[in-house]
Amino acid sequence: GAGVSQTPSNKVTEKGKYVELRCDPISGHTALYWYRQSLGQGPEFLIYFQGTGAADDSGLPNDRFFAVRPEGSVSTLKIQRTERGDSAVYLCASSSGYTDTQYFGPGTRLTVL
Amino acid sequence: GQQLNQSPQSMFIQEGEDVSMNCTSSSIFNTWLWYKQDPGEGPVLLIALYKAGELTSNGRLTAQFGITRKDSFLNISASIPSDVGIYFCAGQLDNYGQNFVFGPGTRLSVLP
Repeated sequence: GAGVSQTPSNKVTEKGKYVELRCDPISGHTALYWYRQSLGQGPEFLIYFQGTGAADDSGLPNDRFFAVRPEGSVSTLKIQRTERGDSAVYLCASSSGYTDTQYFGPGTRLTVL
Repeated sequence: GQQLNQSPQSMFIQEGEDVSMNCTSSSIFNTWLWYKQDPGEGPVLLIALYKAGELTSNGRLTAQFGITRKDSFLNISASIPSDVGIYFCAGQLDNYGQNFVFGPGTRLSVLP
């Protein structure tokens, strides 16, 4: 499709498990962003990629969170030893450049039981 | 961390009415963005503002970047049912890199 896609759309896991969330950006977009959105809140910045490298990971809450973008396209957000507080919608966005409009995907709703 | 405040938190209006909502911060921003989010979807950009005092329109929507660079407002004229959703402001802090800070949102309901 033409937009940002995210898989899975929903993920339910147990406390302590490892999860991976995938983002397929718009083809040709060099910038990719991950956000976390808790219920009733706005999106909270996690990490920004320019190409393959993480240009700004200042929003990652702790070292259980990690993201990669090995070929400068698809990105995976990885969460180790999940906690109930990690439950949220994880949004991915991409843009064609540093100052350009960010286009958001539909998000992955993560529920940690 | 940096915070944006949005008011009102929620609003119920009659179809055809005009809507006004705003966003304030104690910090200076160099870019203001307004997004709309529908249930189960990601936010969609409505208007982007890049200069203090800038007034920009997009159809029935008008937004302004406050002179102090610490606030912005969004107006919607002649509301229609599809305006229902959550409206977020987002700001890019001066010299703070590429991440944007989002407000908590204003939930708009339009009554027929």
